[in-house]
Amino acid sequence: QQQVKQSPQSLIVQKGGISIINCAYENTAFDYFPWYQQFPGKGPALLIAIRPDVSEKKEGRFTISFNKSAKQFSLHIMDSQPGDSATYFCAARASSGSARQLTFGSGTQLTVLP
Amino acid sequence: DAGITQSPRHKVTETGTPVTLRCHQTENHRYMYWYRQDPGHGLRLIHYSYGVKDTDKGEVSDGYSVSRSKTEDFLLTLESATSSQTSVYFCAISESSPGELFFGEGSRLTVL
Repeated sequence: QQQVKQSPQSLIVQKGGISIINCAYENTAFDYFPWYQQFPGKGPALLIAIRPDVSEKKEGRFTISFNKSAKQFSLHIMDSQPGDSATYFCAARASSGSARQLTFGSGTQLTVLP
Repeated sequence: DAGITQSPRHKVTETGTPVTLRCHQTENHRYMYWYRQDPGHGLRLIHYSYGVKDTDKGEVSDGYSVSRSKTEDFLLTLESATSSQTSVYFCAISESSPGELFFGEGSRLTVL
């Protein structure tokens, strides 16, 4: 059962454009929402994360928008660059219980054209 | 970069053979994880460890076992590999449960 649904599966954006990746979750007990970035042949690496007590977090060109009532969060990449071409995973963590593990979305392959 | 080494990085094996993947860390992090990555499924947790000899099952643990006899090493074993276990396997570590995950570079396993 996939508890975090990610879309789109793939995304092509022109250099300088805005890339938007969306995730929706079902479990209201999630309390931490990170995004991971993965380059080909490498392991994922933490890009940016947000907690549900804020609606937006910005780090450089990367912004997470969080809508608690809609149970959705999204990653916006402003001024997208070819170097941003990678696979992006959203994730969510349960706030309690023995299995406070991350549940990942299915990933979005982003291609930024020069 | 976090000191995580996975071995082997690539392996081709036949159905029914045992396979062991090794994850070695130099960060002294308490928590270690094994994930598999498959197209359309993202990253799925197989097993994790919260200390030496302390392990628990993840979302897709059937057909896999793990062992952690030392803080720095976490082994993933496929007792009898099947074609459905063809995947890229990632080891990850974290200081807290779970805080930021640091991933290794992956082990690509092909089961023929």
